Amino acid sequence: DQQVKQNSPSLSVQEGRISILNCDYTNSMFDYFLWYKKYPAEGPTFLISISSIKDKNEDGRFTVFLNKSAKHLSLHIVPSQPGDSAVYFCAASATGSNYKLTFGKGTLLTVNP
Amino acid sequence: EAGVTQFPSHSVIEKGQTVTLRCDPISGHDNLYWYRRVMGKEIKFLLHFVKESKQDESGMPNNRFLAERTGGTYSTLKVQPAELEDSGVYFCASSQAWTSGELFFGEGSRLTVL
Repeated sequence: DQQVKQNSPSLSVQEGRISILNCDYTNSMFDYFLWYKKYPAEGPTFLISISSIKDKNEDGRFTVFLNKSAKHLSLHIVPSQPGDSAVYFCAASATGSNYKLTFGKGTLLTVNP
Repeated sequence: EAGVTQFPSHSVIEKGQTVTLRCDPISGHDNLYWYRRVMGKEIKFLLHFVKESKQDESGMPNNRFLAERTGGTYSTLKVQPAELEDSGVYFCASSQAWTSGELFFGEGSRLTVL
């Protein structure tokens, strides 16, 4: 029973273009959402987060959008750079257990020069 | 500042043997977590320590897994006896607060059970 789903295992984009990574969740108790980035042989690194009281959070080239009614969030990277090539994990947590992240399976982003 | 360090980076053992994984969190981080990623699956929560106390161990798969954090510093995760399905990457993470979900992960310990 996957509560956080990333339906695209991989995504390939050209350098300079926009990358859009999608994530869906099923548990309505989730109220905090995060994106982690992972390079091979490294641990996941926190990228950006959003609380359910917001619908958008921006940090430089990275923007996360949250659509609560659709239980959907997306990560936009613009412009994409070759160094952004990594696996991106969507994660969610609920109030009172914010340490307990539920992860999606990840999306491998490849940014081609 | 040193990050979260894990040892060993890779361990290969026979079914039925014992393995102990170690995690050193970032200095000053009271919260320590263990997560696991089995091949092809998502990263899953195992347990959470606050200092030396187990706050939540609801993700531990069964009683073959034992986690400790004596003195509230480093932590160990022992698997005894190991089974084939225990193979995967075991991630340790730490944080100062547990309310934000922003965890600092180590590189992981890959466990292969033959």
